[in-house]
Amino acid sequence: NAGVTQTPKFRILKIGQSMTLQCAQDMNHNYMYWYRQDPGMGLKLIYYSVGAGITDKGEVPNGYNVSRSTTEDFPLRLELAAPSQTSVYFCASSYSLLAGGPNTGELFFGEGSRLTVL
Amino acid sequence: TQLLEQSPQFLSIQEGENLTVYCNSSSVFSSLQWYRQEPGEGPVLLVTVVTGGEVKKLKRLTFQFGDARKDSSLHITAAQPGDTGLYLCAGGGTGSARQLTFGSGTQLTVLP
Repeated sequence: NAGVTQTPKFRILKIGQSMTLQCAQDMNHNYMYWYRQDPGMGLKLIYYSVGAGITDKGEVPNGYNVSRSTTEDFPLRLELAAPSQTSVYFCASSYSLLAGGPNTGELFFGEGSRLTVL
Repeated sequence: TQLLEQSPQFLSIQEGENLTVYCNSSSVFSSLQWYRQEPGEGPVLLVTVVTGGEVKKLKRLTFQFGDARKDSSLHITAAQPGDTGLYLCAGGGTGSARQLTFGSGTQLTVLP
């Protein structure tokens, strides 16, 4: 049972380079998320998607872009990498009702992608 | 922006001791989740509480949601080395985005 799969696990970029972090889930979840985790800072939401074709900004979207062409895939694009983007990136998915009720959906996380920008 | 503050940030205790981790906010949340994260892995859900005053037990772990749904606590009884990890609380929003706001985490180390 794969769950949420992220690639690559590790990557070193030079300042100004671009790259895409891949994320795929096989649980037919409608919601997908990208978080970054910096030491002592918890998880910050970058972008999220409530379904195929729909994406929206989270708390820290600058310098990133996403797309959601299918239910399964949610790639995160870094354009013009900067040292401030050095972090561990986590993709997550959940199944949530689209309207009404509290948000109690469990988030399923990938193993993370450690990115260093030099 | 809703903020969640966790305390303490770091906690190192001996096996067999009890401990409590706190998660506090000035905002009201529709639900509160606790996750545990081990090195090199993503967070894994431990529990979800949705009702003010709710208490849930998971073996040696006791979770409580404050009456006003602004705070939560995690109490571990007789801690074991296997409890070592980063504990994260996450508050559920009420908007259509249904986003979670994560606390900064408590790094727990249980020494044998």
